[in-house]
Amino acid sequence: DGGITQSPKYLFRKEGQNVTLSCEQNLNHDAMYWYRQDPGQGLRLIYYSQIVNDFQKGDIAEGYSVSREKKESFPLTVTSAQKNPTAFYLCASRGLAGTGELFFGEGSRLTVL
Amino acid sequence: SQQGEEDPQALSIQEGENATMNCSYKTSINNLQWYRQNSGRGLVHLILIRSNEREKHSGRLRVTLDTSKKSSSLLITASRAADTASYFCATRGETSGSRLTFGEGTQLTVNP
Repeated sequence: DGGITQSPKYLFRKEGQNVTLSCEQNLNHDAMYWYRQDPGQGLRLIYYSQIVNDFQKGDIAEGYSVSREKKESFPLTVTSAQKNPTAFYLCASRGLAGTGELFFGEGSRLTVL
Repeated sequence: SQQGEEDPQALSIQEGENATMNCSYKTSINNLQWYRQNSGRGLVHLILIRSNEREKHSGRLRVTLDTSKKSSSLLITASRAADTASYFCATRGETSGSRLTFGEGTQLTVNP
């Protein structure tokens, strides 16, 4: 089935550690996005990429890094520089020739111990 | 503040009643979208309305858009317990390119 797969679903990290969240899509979409969601709140854009080997910062990029080496993959690294990393992270993709809707993965919940 | 802001923050109704959620935004848009999120899950796209459209229907959903007031509403008719979820509006601004900006959502509870 076509879709977006995020892994892991749950992740625990000690302070000072970097962690990488995986996002893979088989929808042949050009654009991919990472959002952060805090409890009871909306989504805030971290990074997005419209094409392989290119990405742009969103509204809250500090303390995060991404890469886009393949069209299917857009991993997010939460670095130790991110002061409050505990959150729910959502990856999404969009076909640039489509209607503009985003397709989301099921999310990864990161908890810093 | 967020480009899209939903109102109310929370809504509790009985099965069979209609649910109306509102969204306001600040800048000119290309389109406005509504998404649904079940607790702890990803978002699912419901409906998209373009800036030159005023109303759109999809099943039990009706969306209106008033660009002069920079506002939109989502109406769910004949609600069901399975409609319980958070609902978010998201806007694509005229100058925002590929970015989609989300509001903070309305938590809808439909009581059986």
